[in-house]
Amino acid sequence: GESVGLHLPTLSVQEGDNSIINCAYSNSASDYFIWYKQESGKGPQFIIDIRSNMDKRQGQRVTVLLNKTVKHLSLQIAATQPGDSAVYFCAEKSAGGTSYGKLTFGQGTILTVHP
Amino acid sequence: DAGITQSPRHKVTETGTPVTLRCHQTENHRYMYWYRQDPGHGLRLIHYSYGVKDTDKGEVSDGYSVSRSKTEDFLLTLESATSSQTSVYFCAISESTGVDEKLFFGSGTQLSVL
Repeated sequence: GESVGLHLPTLSVQEGDNSIINCAYSNSASDYFIWYKQESGKGPQFIIDIRSNMDKRQGQRVTVLLNKTVKHLSLQIAATQPGDSAVYFCAEKSAGGTSYGKLTFGQGTILTVHP
Repeated sequence: DAGITQSPRHKVTETGTPVTLRCHQTENHRYMYWYRQDPGHGLRLIHYSYGVKDTDKGEVSDGYSVSRSKTEDFLLTLESATSSQTSVYFCAISESTGVDEKLFFGSGTQLSVL
């Protein structure tokens, strides 16, 4: 899972395998979560989001699972491809008040997919 | 990148010089943000705007100012650049501030302050 520090967690998988990337969040009041993918030299790209009233949401080849009891978020990528190699990070937003995009971002996990 | 253009893409400058980064969007979104990304700190919000001439500070606003004279443009200015401001700067936009708002990011500006 993600952690604060200079060395990001890494995950290496073979092409075609399923990947699971984890994220522990800290604020029990967070009500919205997003997963972003960031390729080298590019900006973060939205992948999938989930609201706190859900525990699972599926997209194309991706699934996000939310466990509010242990404040844990995971991103599952099915049939991982070399093009999925990137840094993945989660972001959370707290409930209440004005938000103005005040997302709190995790540090990220480096996913490397080997052909 | 969701109709967001950042310029310049790369900038090298000297300590003490002023620097302005530009973000231009074609999505007509109301909200615009400037983030910086550093190893060990992730993405941190510098300033944001909720409309033309309406801006506010984020968590790391010291040493930075912003301006938004048109919906499509959001400028970030370092009045007197310091080495600690060496970073990758990202502009982001969002359509709303609803509970499930999504931020869309530009490609970033790599700034090096020598």
